[in-house]
Amino acid sequence: DTGVSQDPRHKITKRGQNVTFRCDPISEHNRLYWYRQTLGQGPEFLTYFQNEAQLEKSRLLSDRFSAERPKGSFSTLEIQRTEQGDSAMYLCASSLPRDRGYETQYFGPGTRLLVL
Amino acid sequence: GQSLEQPSEVTAVEGAIVQINCTYQTSGFYGLSWYQQHDGGAPTFLSYNALDGLEETGRFSSFLSRSDSYGYLLLQELQMKDSASYFCAVKQGGKLIFGQGTELSVKP
Repeated sequence: DTGVSQDPRHKITKRGQNVTFRCDPISEHNRLYWYRQTLGQGPEFLTYFQNEAQLEKSRLLSDRFSAERPKGSFSTLEIQRTEQGDSAMYLCASSLPRDRGYETQYFGPGTRLLVL
Repeated sequence: GQSLEQPSEVTAVEGAIVQINCTYQTSGFYGLSWYQQHDGGAPTFLSYNALDGLEETGRFSSFLSRSDSYGYLLLQELQMKDSASYFCAVKQGGKLIFGQGTELSVKP
């Protein structure tokens, strides 16, 4: 298995545009997580899925953010009407089910977003 | 509220031992994880403590005291490649709550 993959790796957009990122987790990992990281900070939790169900969403997450995992495999994160403050690295991670070692989250390389 | 405190920077020489402390205050706690992140790279898992005590994995060890809401990461026989940022993270249900990270610089 090649690990968690994310696409695109870099995205530059203009303020007000919509962007969508994709994450492909490690196969057999039923949990998928999205985090956001800005320079000099630790990753900040956004949301996570168990299979196709979105189990938790950060209260800090604006309504402009939406995530889906329609078939329980890959996931997409969409940001509508982007703002300059959305500029960050968006990290995806996946893990095994709770009874098989879900404490270890495996991170992808991230999508770096720059909003001009 | 929730907070994790760890030193922002640590410097050590090759071959030395360094300890990175982490104190936390969270509303829920399942365990404490440690992740390493090199510049421009993804966080990678180092260790996880759910119970009090020391966990050893090669040159890295991690300790947890739940009663003190405290943990540390111990790196032995430091190598230049250990220069990176190290994050403690509280596992809270399914998610991780990360500290702001400790930047470790290893000097020759």
